[in-house]
Amino acid sequence: DTAVSQTPKYLVTQMGNDKSIKCEQNLGHDTMYWYKQDSKKFLKIMFSYNNKELIINETVPNRFSPKSPDKAHLNLHINSLELGDSAVYFCASSQSRAEQYFGPGTRLTVT
Amino acid sequence: DQQVKQNSPSLSVQEGRISILNCDYTNSMFDYFLWYKKYPAEGPTFLISISSIKDKNEDGRFTVFLNKSAKHLSLHIVPSQPGDSAVYFCAASTNTGNQFYFGTGTSLTVIP
Repeated sequence: DTAVSQTPKYLVTQMGNDKSIKCEQNLGHDTMYWYKQDSKKFLKIMFSYNNKELIINETVPNRFSPKSPDKAHLNLHINSLELGDSAVYFCASSQSRAEQYFGPGTRLTVT
Repeated sequence: DQQVKQNSPSLSVQEGRISILNCDYTNSMFDYFLWYKKYPAEGPTFLISISSIKDKNEDGRFTVFLNKSAKHLSLHIVPSQPGDSAVYFCAASTNTGNQFYFGTGTSLTVIP
């Protein structure tokens, strides 16, 4: 029983395409996040949702759009993919300010 | 502007010895600190945390020390085991939001 799951685990696509990454948590947490880990291994927050409401939206191109259909899901849609979007994307969840539980990551490669 | 820094990208330690991983921060409003461990091809997993009202928290072989005046925290692992080989991230947050700021990680190798 995976606590935080992401699909797909690997995603290879061409520049200009649109893709989505799905995230689900079965922990009953009220907050979900998307992080990007770039080539320098820096884990940077992109978005945070609390009870389906966007509460953090860091400086991220508006080609990235999170969607939270319910408390247990936070999907990430990316339009017009660029080479610089290649990274590992992690979904996470937490109960308010408590420690976060991370998914296994989605390695996105844009060619 | 990186508010949480881990200046040592890597560390090697003999099995059985102590591993000390360091983390510095710049934001004096941070009041909650965490350490995560990450294996390759997996997401980070929570290891231990400390609130700013304490200066030490211990959990088995893992101890986190917080020096607020120096804006510095450290993770001690003793005794180190080969299974501890992983990347360790420190993270910090303020009490005003749900955002955690992460360091760039330190890759620990425990040599058998």
